[in-house]
Amino acid sequence: QVQLKESGPGLLKPSETLSLTCTVSGGSISSYYWTWIRQSAGRGLEWIGRIYGNGDTIYNPSLKSRVTMSGDTSKNQLNLKLNSVTAADTAVYYCARAGYGGWGIVDYWGQGTLVTVSS
Amino acid sequence: DIVVTQSPDSLAVSVGERATINCKSSQSVLNSSNNKNYLAWYQQKPGQPPKLLIYWASPRESGVPDRFSGSGSGTDFTLTISSLQAEDVAVYYCQQYYTTPWTFGQGTKVEIK
Repeated sequence: QVQLKESGPGLLKPSETLSLTCTVSGGSISSYYWTWIRQSAGRGLEWIGRIYGNGDTIYNPSLKSRVTMSGDTSKNQLNLKLNSVTAADTAVYYCARAGYGGWGIVDYWGQGTLVTVSS
Repeated sequence: DIVVTQSPDSLAVSVGERATINCKSSQSVLNSSNNKNYLAWYQQKPGQPPKLLIYWASPRESGVPDRFSGSGSGTDFTLTISSLQAEDVAVYYCQQYYTTPWTFGQGTKVEIK
């Protein structure tokens, strides 16, 4: 059973960098596609991007200039960085697995972590 | 981006009755080369992440009760709960994965009448 757990600061100031880690158990990150999705009251569910274990990434064009995803196979962890945050980046951030060959079928989700951007 | 629109935004159904949620995409998500519709349905209960119910528009994820069914093709899709149970109270989302960025509908809240 794959389990994912997000961690990172819950409160940021505008212009800071959001950094989240997702620890994966029950499966190697090298063998699957993984994705980050955020959810806010204003924007609903928003796809941030996808990463394969070898580091191959695709980002949402709306966030591409500010996002970096990476993986640490030695720790079986995924990382998300989002630069220059504003209040509009306040959301629950989920890491998840894009199973079924990497198509956007999100079959395992973390519990999510709330990130609030406020001065 | 493909825009995905659900209707209604909310509905209230009696226990044991049928609930129907519609999902429309701004362009076809049917791949004619493999005849697959790149559309999924998720259920989200309060305080929980979304849970995958249906993928490729109709196959159920393992463990999903058979009262949940998906149908449709091209741009118009439906999630049906054939006999609503109290535990089905949730927000339901459809999602297209035909192209990136993957996009979700705004959600439909299902309640008990």
